[in-house]
Amino acid sequence: AQSVTQLDSHVSVSEGTPVLLRCNYSSSYSPSLFWYVQHPNKGLQLLLKYTSAATLVKGINGFEAEFKKSETSFHLTKPSAHMSDAAEYFCVVIAQGGSEKLVFGKGTKLTVNP
Amino acid sequence: NAGVTQTPKFQVLKTGQSMTLQCAQDMNHNSMYWYRQDPGMGLRLIYYSASEGTTDKGEVPNGYNVSRLNKREFSLRLESAAPSQTSVYFCASSDQGALMPQHFGDGTRLSIL
Repeated sequence: AQSVTQLDSHVSVSEGTPVLLRCNYSSSYSPSLFWYVQHPNKGLQLLLKYTSAATLVKGINGFEAEFKKSETSFHLTKPSAHMSDAAEYFCVVIAQGGSEKLVFGKGTKLTVNP
Repeated sequence: NAGVTQTPKFQVLKTGQSMTLQCAQDMNHNSMYWYRQDPGMGLRLIYYSASEGTTDKGEVPNGYNVSRLNKREFSLRLESAAPSQTSVYFCASSDQGALMPQHFGDGTRLSIL
């Protein structure tokens, strides 16, 4: 069965420093992977997706993620954090060829300090 | 530029009461979804509709019913509310396959006493 583990429940960075949000996945099939962002009192917004094309995926707002099959990871990065990046981030997997169920990680709350 | 609109934004119910959460999208998307979000649990799919006229159960459908009224609207009904259904409910839509939501509403915060 497919699953997603977000390794940090909270990450705190200073404005202008790099962001790293870690996600490991488990899937018996070739996965599709996504990152969503949720700002306070708002719905989720799709940041980026990996669907077996290029392993380095660029998303909105300067975020990118790299699919590493050997490490079963799909970490989200941004070179320089902005105050507006403060939000909760969810890593999500769909296992192709299996049940195709969408599985959400439990989320990582990002705090950006001035 | 409305996107996905949910009503109401907040609701308090007593155990056993019924209510319907409304959702409408103006992006002409085929697929629509209902999720619930609970602290530390991520999002869990309640029901989805891959196209007008079809609905399917998700991960946690018990205690809920849905109606895909037309291509724009997808409602979620609680027939007899229970405290375990206290949650934040999100509606979403997509034009990229039956299980990949793209656009979410801002949520309905539902408390059941």
